[in-house]
Amino acid sequence: AQSVTQLGSHVSVSEGALVLLRCNYSSSVPPYLFWYVQYPNQGLQLLLKYTTGATLVKGINGFEAEFKKSETSFHLTKPSAHMSDAAEYFCAVSDKGGKLIFGQGTELSVKP
Amino acid sequence: NAGVTQTPKFQVLKTGQSMTLQCAQDMNHNSMYWYRQDPGMGLRLIYYSASEGTTDKGEVPNGYNVSRLNKREFSLRLESAAPSQTSVYFCAIGRAANYGYTFGSGTRLTVV
Repeated sequence: AQSVTQLGSHVSVSEGALVLLRCNYSSSVPPYLFWYVQYPNQGLQLLLKYTTGATLVKGINGFEAEFKKSETSFHLTKPSAHMSDAAEYFCAVSDKGGKLIFGQGTELSVKP
Repeated sequence: NAGVTQTPKFQVLKTGQSMTLQCAQDMNHNSMYWYRQDPGMGLRLIYYSASEGTTDKGEVPNGYNVSRLNKREFSLRLESAAPSQTSVYFCAIGRAANYGYTFGSGTRLTVV
């Protein structure tokens, strides 16, 4: 069965610093992988996804993620954090039936 | 969260009361899902419906029932609410395994 582990329930960075949110997955088949963002009191928005093809995926708001099959990882990065990036981020993997399985979430804080 | 409408947005119930959470979509997708979100646990699947007329249990179905009324609407019912059901509930719709979901804005439920 697929599963997702997000390392670190809370990450704090300074404005302008690199953002790195870690996600590892387990899957018996080639996975579809997703990152979602949730701003306070809102639903989840799709940031980016990996399905097939290029392993470096670019998303909205300057975020990108790299699929590394050998490491079963799909870490999310952004070169320079902005105050507006403060939110909770969820990594997810799609199972064979198309259902999304989510990680526990990582709350990102951005300090001025 | 265009395309997925959840009602109500907030609700407080007393233990033992019943209520139905409503979800409607206007994107003509076959698959609809109900998740609950709890701190530190990410999103967990309660029930899903792969198409009109079908429903299946997810990871945490106990204490809930669902109805796929038609292609547009998928409701979640709590027959006898318990404090452990205090959570934020999200409805989502999906087109395909590699597409990801569109989420509603959520229902924040408190059971006292």
